[in-house]
Amino acid sequence: QKEVEQDPGPLSVPEGAIVSLNCTYSNSAFQYFMWYRQYSRKGPELLMYTYSSGNKEDGRFTAQVDKSSKYISLFIRDSQPSDSATYLCAMSPSISSGSARQLTFGSGTQLTVLP
Amino acid sequence: DTAVSQTPKYLVTQMGNDKSIKCEQNLGHDTMYWYKQDSKKFLKIMFSYNNKELIINETVPNRFSPKSPDKAHLNLHINSLELGDSAVYFCASSQEKGRQGGFNQPQHFGDGTRLSIL
Repeated sequence: QKEVEQDPGPLSVPEGAIVSLNCTYSNSAFQYFMWYRQYSRKGPELLMYTYSSGNKEDGRFTAQVDKSSKYISLFIRDSQPSDSATYLCAMSPSISSGSARQLTFGSGTQLTVLP
Repeated sequence: DTAVSQTPKYLVTQMGNDKSIKCEQNLGHDTMYWYKQDSKKFLKIMFSYNNKELIINETVPNRFSPKSPDKAHLNLHINSLELGDSAVYFCASSQEKGRQGGFNQPQHFGDGTRLSIL
């Protein structure tokens, strides 16, 4: 079993829809949670960055972390065709654990927003 | 003003050859990384250097050898290329020392080098 599981999709939604992307993980040491967006033939670009449990909102994007369930989500409101990309979740332990610099990635969910 | 730049963008070569990929970052970060992304988009860390010192060395064949001449550059040399080495290789950087509040700093990625072995 992988440490981080992510549904690869593909996921197609109409423009304006609310998109929900999710990851589950097994390592309870993970404290930092990130979402990266990767356009075709580009590198991953940091979208959201959260620490421990809770919600974080940035424009149309909301990241949620539920550490008790080992489950993280990214919500995209009013989705646009320009949101079409692969979304990767990533996470890492706390600094004191000694593996702080090492990110563990999900396999990515491919999203297409249809105009 | 590209933050993390890799060269070349594309690399097509024969099995058995030796090749190098170069990475440079102008963000002033002290830590750099090499990742490999397979055809299923799975990103896996290979190496990490902090201030020219190797700090992460995952289970990677010793045909792969990273080199960091200074903290703004991290190169990857691959000997005796094999078919299974075909992938996209990403360089990334982050600032580790002096981070505030004990938070991990996010990593910034280059656009990748697409390596195809014939």
